[in-house]
Amino acid sequence: NAGVTQTPKFRVLKTGQSMTLLCAQDMNHEYMYWYRQDPGMGLRLIHYSVGEGTTAKGEVPDGYNVSRLKKQNFLLGLESAAPSQTSVYFCASSLTAYQPQHFGDGTRLSIL
Amino acid sequence: KNEVEQSPQNLTAQEGEFITINCSYSVGISALHWLQQHPGGGIVSLFMLSSGKKKHGRLIATINIQEKHSSLHITASHPRDSAVYICAVIGNQFYFGTGTSLTVIP
Repeated sequence: NAGVTQTPKFRVLKTGQSMTLLCAQDMNHEYMYWYRQDPGMGLRLIHYSVGEGTTAKGEVPDGYNVSRLKKQNFLLGLESAAPSQTSVYFCASSLTAYQPQHFGDGTRLSIL
Repeated sequence: KNEVEQSPQNLTAQEGEFITINCSYSVGISALHWLQQHPGGGIVSLFMLSSGKKKHGRLIATINIQEKHSSLHITASHPRDSAVYICAVIGNQFYFGTGTSLTVIP
């Protein structure tokens, strides 16, 4: 049982490049989340989804887009990467909003 | 403005000590979540609670909704408990504390 899988684990981008981070879960969870974690700031919610075909903005959505075309996948896109988006990105999923979240191992993204 | 405050920020304990980590929040919530993040970066859910107390092994979490406060206790601490412990609350948004870094010395 893989749980929550994030790809890639590491990536270096140049300013202005685009990329997509993939999150996949095999627990049939309805809710999926994308967070970023920066030193001294804790986790911050970027976007989340409450089911297939739905997305919603979190605390820090600017500069990111998401899609949930299939229930098991939640994609995070950076259309034009900026150095301020250098961070560790975590994906999580949960059965409901009030059930514990299961986290992926994170993606370390550096933008030069 | 921090909706979730944790204390202490850093904590060093000797193996076997009883440890308490505190979380205070300023918003109305429907649930509170304790997470553990190991040095390698992985995040694991420990507890989600909306009232009272929960226990799992040597870990105990309590919450007082009226006082907007939760505590995470670790009994008989062990070096493998060394990690960052994160408090998160679910209100109209998700709010996370910045974490408490715990080091348990053998």
